[in-house]
Amino acid sequence: DTGVSQDPRHKITKRGQNVTFRCDPISEHNRLYWYRQTLGQGPEFLTYFQNEAQLEKSRLLSDRFSAERPKGSFSTLEIQRTEQGDSAMYLCASSPTPYYEQYFGPGTRLTVT
Amino acid sequence: GQQLNQSPQSMFIQEGEDVSMNCTSSSIFNTWLWYKQDPGEGPVLLIALYKAGELTSNGRLTAQFGITRKDSFLNISASIPSDVGIYFCAGHLQGGSEKLVFGKGTKLTVNP
Repeated sequence: DTGVSQDPRHKITKRGQNVTFRCDPISEHNRLYWYRQTLGQGPEFLTYFQNEAQLEKSRLLSDRFSAERPKGSFSTLEIQRTEQGDSAMYLCASSPTPYYEQYFGPGTRLTVT
Repeated sequence: GQQLNQSPQSMFIQEGEDVSMNCTSSSIFNTWLWYKQDPGEGPVLLIALYKAGELTSNGRLTAQFGITRKDSFLNISASIPSDVGIYFCAGHLQGGSEKLVFGKGTKLTVNP
């Protein structure tokens, strides 16, 4: 049984560069969620998908952020023109049904220098 | 901003002691979930609660969904060193979206 996987686990980038993260959910889960976590805080919601449809985006998701789930399986989160404030842990979670348990991946730690 | 108040922020206990932590809110929740997070890793689900008053156990862990639907607690009995980590409560707001709202976490340190 494979859980949620994320790649890369760590990313160091210079300010102004673009970065892309990948999430592979648990295979039978049609819900996929992205969260961001900064030091000392709980995860904060960014966006979620039901299959390939993006159903909600947080105000945290500025115009520099875009997420896709083109075939309803894996998802990508892209950050353009990164800023130091983007440094955080980016977490992906999946769920088989709405308003149910969400299972998290190991996260991608982004450091913007 | 955060809509869940989680307490205490941190706890230092001796191995073998019992631990209790809780989450409260001014809003009503339809689910309560408790997660544990180790440094550099994602949160791991411990217990899920779906009904007001529900009391659920998972080994040495016990959690309850408050009757008012505005609070939940997590108890850990007979703590062991591997219980060290940050514990988060999370839930789905009544009338809200599918996103989880998280507390700020309780950092647990267990002295052997």
